[in-house]
Amino acid sequence: EVQLVESGGVVVQPGGSLRLSCAASGFTFDDYTMHWVRQAPGKGLEWVSLISWDGGSTYYADSVKGRFTISRDNSKNSLYLQMNSLRTEDTALYYCAKDFDSSSWTYYFDYWGQGTLVTVSS
Amino acid sequence: QSALTQPASVSGSPGQSITISCTGTSSDVGGYNYVSWYQQHPGKAPKLMIYDVSNRPSGVSNRFSGSKSGNTASLTISGLQAEDEADYYCSSYTSSSKGVFGGGTKLTVL
Repeated sequence: EVQLVESGGVVVQPGGSLRLSCAASGFTFDDYTMHWVRQAPGKGLEWVSLISWDGGSTYYADSVKGRFTISRDNSKNSLYLQMNSLRTEDTALYYCAKDFDSSSWTYYFDYWGQGTLVTVSS
Repeated sequence: QSALTQPASVSGSPGQSITISCTGTSSDVGGYNYVSWYQQHPGKAPKLMIYDVSNRPSGVSNRFSGSKSGNTASLTISGLQAEDEADYYCSSYTSSSKGVFGGGTKLTVL
């Protein structure tokens, strides 16, 4: 059974930093591209970032580019999101999501975690 | 990248069919067949319902179908059931190699 478990969400002040983690199990982690998707309270979904299976390719939404860094450790079956220069508008539930295809990235998210809540507030 | 455009809400009675539209541009929906749809119940993670415009993952009811014409993709749910009441989001690959979601549509089963 595929499982994705996020952690690391807390209350942080504007301008602060935070690192989210996602522990994966139930599939061959290093075969798949992984994504972070966020959802502000009461709002819609927003794609944040992706990292290819080998970490060689990364992409970011314009809203986070230059502030967030996605990474992975395939030896630990783990995905990370380093978040710097946080803004109030970054407040959201952050989901870790697995890409559907093992050969590339499709932006089809076939498994999701339950999310970890990041609140940016003074 | 701008969010894809979806109606804020749609409604239908049990047994009826409804369609949710998702309008983008030639740089996303219109330019690629990488369109997907997600169902999200309150307090739950989204669930993949449609990929590649019209394909259903294993386990998804055949009451759910997808299509695309030009820059607009559509999700149709036939034989509406109470458990279909949820938020629905479309998503597309974009020409900048990024992903984009629609704003979401709240489906109410009357």
